[in-house]
Amino acid sequence: GQNIDQPTEMTATEGAIVQINCTYQTSGFNGLFWYQQHAGEAPTFLSYNVLDGLEEKGRFSSFLSRSKGYSYLLLKELQMKDSASYLCAVRDWGNQGGKLIFGQGTELSVKP
Amino acid sequence: DSGVTQTPKHLITATGQRVTLRCSPRSGDLSVYWYQQSLDQGLQFLIQYYNGEERAKGNILERFSAQQFPDLHSELNLSSLELGDSALYFCASSVDGRGLEQYFGPGTRLTVT
Repeated sequence: GQNIDQPTEMTATEGAIVQINCTYQTSGFNGLFWYQQHAGEAPTFLSYNVLDGLEEKGRFSSFLSRSKGYSYLLLKELQMKDSASYLCAVRDWGNQGGKLIFGQGTELSVKP
Repeated sequence: DSGVTQTPKHLITATGQRVTLRCSPRSGDLSVYWYQQSLDQGLQFLIQYYNGEERAKGNILERFSAQQFPDLHSELNLSSLELGDSALYFCASSVDGRGLEQYFGPGTRLTVT
């Protein structure tokens, strides 16, 4: 089976750092993705990890540990516009295609 | 703007009816993906087409079908609609079949009454 867990909601302060965790259990694994989704809008791609380690992209970083089935998204220098839902997704290799299994998302609220 | 277009933006219809949602991928993208997002189920993968052929399938109901045309646009057909089919339907596209970076369209909000 496939299962992806992430916290339902988090709150952080503007200018701070926040870490959103994601754990997964899948029958096949070929990459982990993070997407950002503002309310009522389309998800937008943030990051992709297929090997263990940290990928940094500006204020956003994503980490993967395949042996632990664990990833996190790190957001630095938080801005009010970062208030959104953050979706963790795993690509299922067994399907030979681009099938992504999404978690329920973490609703991040950034307070002044 | 991701470059993926979806029509219509909103659709209100009655139970038992049939609707067609349309998606045009970004220029140059060969894959199209369909997702359903409801409050209780989150974002669920339905189906992927790559260059006109079905590539991957999720938990798509038998009442739902899709296809990708030679010009690479795609349509998702939903029939015998039920109240539970009310959701946001997203289309995404990627340059190849691996789906490593998927660009999502603005979505079609379907309300079944």
